[in-house]
Amino acid sequence: GENVEQHPSTLSVQEGDSAVIKCTYSDSASNYFPWYKQELGKRPQLIIDIRSNVGEKKDQRIAVTLNKTAKHFSLHITETQPEDSAVYFCAASRNQFYFGTGTSLTVIP
Amino acid sequence: NAGVTQTPKFRILKIGQSMTLQCTQDMNHNYMYWYRQDPGMGLKLIYYSVGAGITDKGEVPNGYNVSRSTTEDFPLRLELAAPSQTSVYFCASSNTGDGYTFGSGTRLTVV
Repeated sequence: GENVEQHPSTLSVQEGDSAVIKCTYSDSASNYFPWYKQELGKRPQLIIDIRSNVGEKKDQRIAVTLNKTAKHFSLHITETQPEDSAVYFCAASRNQFYFGTGTSLTVIP
Repeated sequence: NAGVTQTPKFRILKIGQSMTLQCTQDMNHNYMYWYRQDPGMGLKLIYYSVGAGITDKGEVPNGYNVSRSTTEDFPLRLELAAPSQTSVYFCASSNTGDGYTFGSGTRLTVV
């Protein structure tokens, strides 16, 4: 099956700085790559996703990039705010999702 | 439109007891999933269903069973609870197999 690795496991940034979270996957047939944000004690919520036929996608302060050749994809958050503090999960999917182990992001005011 | 509804929110079970975690969605989604989330381990797929009457195993199905008699409901059954099943359980649904909508979770402790 698919193996998704996510780094770093924890990340602290100053408010206003950028944050980058990286994931690698093993199955070259994976074709859908979502990112989820999970606040403490709450359900994961989809924040952005990208398909394998696209190299980059942006939504306001959030962007995702995909390198199919290297089999890695990254989440970029610019101008971070305290409310961005949460655990972020990446996933890779062909016909079912395989999740990374999560990155706990702390934005320091 | 309630989305994905899970019950109960919390439960404590004794070793060897059985229980059913309920999951209902009102979005007419064909795809439904059960995940467990252990601390620092991400989400692992237990079972999934691509439509009423169809279920299949995920990564960690041992100790669990599911059924899908209707489009709306996808209950997860634990027959003989073990401490290793202490976890947070999330149900999710999807229209196309992408872009999951998650329920609010069930926190289960087996003692």
